[in-house]
Amino acid sequence: QVTLKESGPGILQPSQTLSLTCSFSGFLLSASSVGVGWIRQPSGKGLEWLATIGWEDVKHYNPSLKSRLTISKDTSNNQVFLKITSVDTADTGTYYCAHNWEYWGQGVMVTVSS
Amino acid sequence: DVVMTQTPPSLSVAIGQSVSISCKSSQSLVYSDGKTYLHWLLQSSGRSPKRLIYQVSNLDSGVPDRFSGTGSQKDFTLKISRVEAKDLGVYYCAQTTHFPWTFGGGTKLELK
Repeated sequence: QVTLKESGPGILQPSQTLSLTCSFSGFLLSASSVGVGWIRQPSGKGLEWLATIGWEDVKHYNPSLKSRLTISKDTSNNQVFLKITSVDTADTGTYYCAHNWEYWGQGVMVTVSS
Repeated sequence: DVVMTQTPPSLSVAIGQSVSISCKSSQSLVYSDGKTYLHWLLQSSGRSPKRLIYQVSNLDSGVPDRFSGTGSQKDFTLKISRVEAKDLGVYYCAQTTHFPWTFGGGTKLELK
């Protein structure tokens, strides 16, 4: 059974760095054709893909935020991480991680507020 | 970026009715391997998105065959036959052919 669960700080202030963790089970990120990505959703709005990391450690970023994003993984501990630097209120929303877009986590709410 | 345009933005439906949602992309979604990476997802109220269909017409495990996806190149359709209450929510099309991967704006399916 594949499960993913996101975790994060909940609330942070503008200009800080947002650090998110996706902890998963039921698959190996070292397996061929496997990828884990991050997608976010402002409250009441649509979905935006942020970044994906593949089994071979290839990383892809959304150019609209690329300079602020870093995705990484810890294969041994079945975790994928996302860092977003210099956050502002526009980064407020729910952040999801997903495995090949077939399996999604429950999402973690992030609020950026002073 | 590939722009995904979904219509209509909302649909009111009676239980048992059939509906169709359109998704048009600004570029062909055929990848160099010949496959088309167009997917449909449903986000029920307060829930995470759930993928229903991948690569245009392939149903994910457990998705009833009341759902069907058709289309090619830049023009795609999701059809739901005999709508049930559990089908209500926001439907998104999404493409993973071209980076950055993009979503349609969503179609909200509501009860009439």
